[in-house]
Amino acid sequence: QVQLVESEGGVVQPGRSLRLSCAASGFSFSSYGMHWIRQAPGKGLEWVAVISNDGSKKYYVDSVKGRFTISRDNPKNTLYLQMNSLRVEDTAVYYCAKGEGGHYLYWGQGTLVTVSS
Amino acid sequence: QSVLTQPPSVSGAPGQRVTISCSGSSSNIGAGYDVHWYQHLPGTAPKLLIYDNTKRPSGVPDRFSGSKSGTSASLAITGLRAEDEADYYCQSGSWVFGGGTKLTVL
Repeated sequence: QVQLVESEGGVVQPGRSLRLSCAASGFSFSSYGMHWIRQAPGKGLEWVAVISNDGSKKYYVDSVKGRFTISRDNPKNTLYLQMNSLRVEDTAVYYCAKGEGGHYLYWGQGTLVTVSS
Repeated sequence: QSVLTQPPSVSGAPGQRVTISCSGSSSNIGAGYDVHWYQHLPGTAPKLLIYDNTKRPSGVPDRFSGSKSGTSASLAITGLRAEDEADYYCQSGSWVFGGGTKLTVL
């Protein structure tokens, strides 16, 4: 069965960096685009970034452009989100999700990232 | 503020029917993009309820149904149950989510 397991988040100071990972199993990872989606406390879902199946195309929400980098290691079936210059407003639960036909059937369990001094 | 507009809250009594609207524009729903719906309970991953406007993934009861017309879409829930109390999100276009609707079962 499809499984997406995010790494543990954590508490990080503003301006610092953190890398999230998402280990995938149960499907042909290299065949699918993968996404990061987040939910800030008390807010709705917000799409963050997408990477194509081969890693050649990447897109980001405007608020993270230039600070976050999505990447993937297909032989390791792992998705990453490198988050630099973190801001308080980046505090959220981050989910990885398998992209298929524009919707998300499979999601990770979510990992909390708290940006605070 | 999301480009897909949902009512902040809706409510209904057990057994009743409720609908949740999702209003878009000619840039997303009106441009022909499919609409998808998710149920989100606190502390859990969102669950896909409806995809491609009207389709239900395996395991989603037929109490949940979706429709789309013009620049809007709707999620209908019939035979409301206590366990349906959750947040509901529409999604369409280039990876855009609606602001979410909190469903309260009275």
